[in-house]
Amino acid sequence: DGGITQSPKYLFRKEGQNVTLSCEQNLNHDAMYWYRQDPGQGLRLIYYSQIVNDFQKGDIAEGYSVSREKKESFPLTVTSAQKNPTAFYLCASSIRTVGGYTFGSGTRLTVV
Amino acid sequence: GQQLNQSPQSMFIQEGEDVSMNCTSSSIFNTWLWYKQDPGEGPVLLIALYKAGELTSNGRLTAQFGITRKDSFLNISASIPSDVGIYFCAGHHIRSSGGSNYKLTFGKGTLLTVNP
Repeated sequence: DGGITQSPKYLFRKEGQNVTLSCEQNLNHDAMYWYRQDPGQGLRLIYYSQIVNDFQKGDIAEGYSVSREKKESFPLTVTSAQKNPTAFYLCASSIRTVGGYTFGSGTRLTVV
Repeated sequence: GQQLNQSPQSMFIQEGEDVSMNCTSSSIFNTWLWYKQDPGEGPVLLIALYKAGELTSNGRLTAQFGITRKDSFLNISASIPSDVGIYFCAGHHIRSSGGSNYKLTFGKGTLLTVNP
């Protein structure tokens, strides 16, 4: 079955360490997105990519980095420059026309 | 960027009650989508609306695309405990230069709690 997979589900890291969150899709979707979710804040866009080897900053890109070397993969690195990295991170993908996103099941990152 | 105003922020209801939530915008949207997020999971698409005035049902859920193209509502009838979660509206808005923006704009969500 086609879908979008985020791993791991839970991640713990020490403050000051970079950490990379995985997102893989086999839906043949061109576009991929990363969102951050904090309680009461809704979904905030971090980065998005419309095609391979191209990506754009979203509303809260500072302290994050991404790459899009393959259509199927869009990993997110949370760097030590991110002041408050503890959050629930969601990856999504879509075709490049009007329609909905397919979301992964999320990664909960806790930085201690 | 474009914003969607979703209300209410949260709702506490008794099992069996009906629920209504809505989203409004100051700009025109050409699609409206409603998602549900279970605790600790990613959002799942419930209903998609593509035409102004469209009324679509999915089981106990009914959603409408407002005539002005600036609003949408979602109704849940006869709520059950598994309806708990966060409901998000989302939409594609019309660019000022014409054409659609396929990047979705999301509302901040409505947290629904159902008491058995």
